[in-house]
Amino acid sequence: EVQLQQSGAELVRPGTSVKLSCKVSGDTIIAYYMHFVKQRPGQGLEWIGRIDPEDDSTKYAKKFKNKATLTADTSSNTAYLKLSSLTSEDTATYFCTTGPTGYYFDYWGQGVMVTVSS
Amino acid sequence: DIQMTQSPASLSASLEEIVTITCQASQDIGNWLAWYQQKPGKSPQLLIYGATSLADGVPSRFSGSRSGTQYSLKISRLQVEDIGIYYCQQASSAPWTFGGGTKLELK
Repeated sequence: EVQLQQSGAELVRPGTSVKLSCKVSGDTIIAYYMHFVKQRPGQGLEWIGRIDPEDDSTKYAKKFKNKATLTADTSSNTAYLKLSSLTSEDTATYFCTTGPTGYYFDYWGQGVMVTVSS
Repeated sequence: DIQMTQSPASLSASLEEIVTITCQASQDIGNWLAWYQQKPGKSPQLLIYGATSLADGVPSRFSGSRSGTQYSLKISRLQVEDIGIYYCQQASSAPWTFGGGTKLELK
């Protein structure tokens, strides 16, 4: 069974960056497109982007193009989301998610809460 | 970007009642639609994919349908464990987009 384990909660200062990890177990990461989704407190789901760990190709939602950077390390079966120039608007829970088709999200990480505050 | 307009935003229903949630796509997405359930403090769970296919382990009281660019999620007999927020998601083209969510509560 595929499981996604995300890194722990982060409290970060405005203007800085943070890098979140998502480790895949139960299968090889190159079998999946790895997606990341943002959820602000009390709000809906927002797709950030996805990476294909086989060739490191990425796609991003327009609003996250200068905010988010997706990378993957096939040796550790881990995908990463780096968020830069953080503001209060980035305070949210970030999920990694994937599935066999690459289009639907069968598997989800537990989510990581990022709080941006001085 | 493809917009997904979900309705209603909130819904109150009784146990054993039939519940229907709809999602309207801003353009043709074929059957590239999924439904998710999210409970408080938890990650979303896939319920339906391909507009009508039930995901593994999902009770058969959940079903999905399509009429043109309108998609529906039906819960045939509402149970206590069905309470939560439901989202549709289009997977036709990037950026993948979600509906705004429907909060389902018990009456």
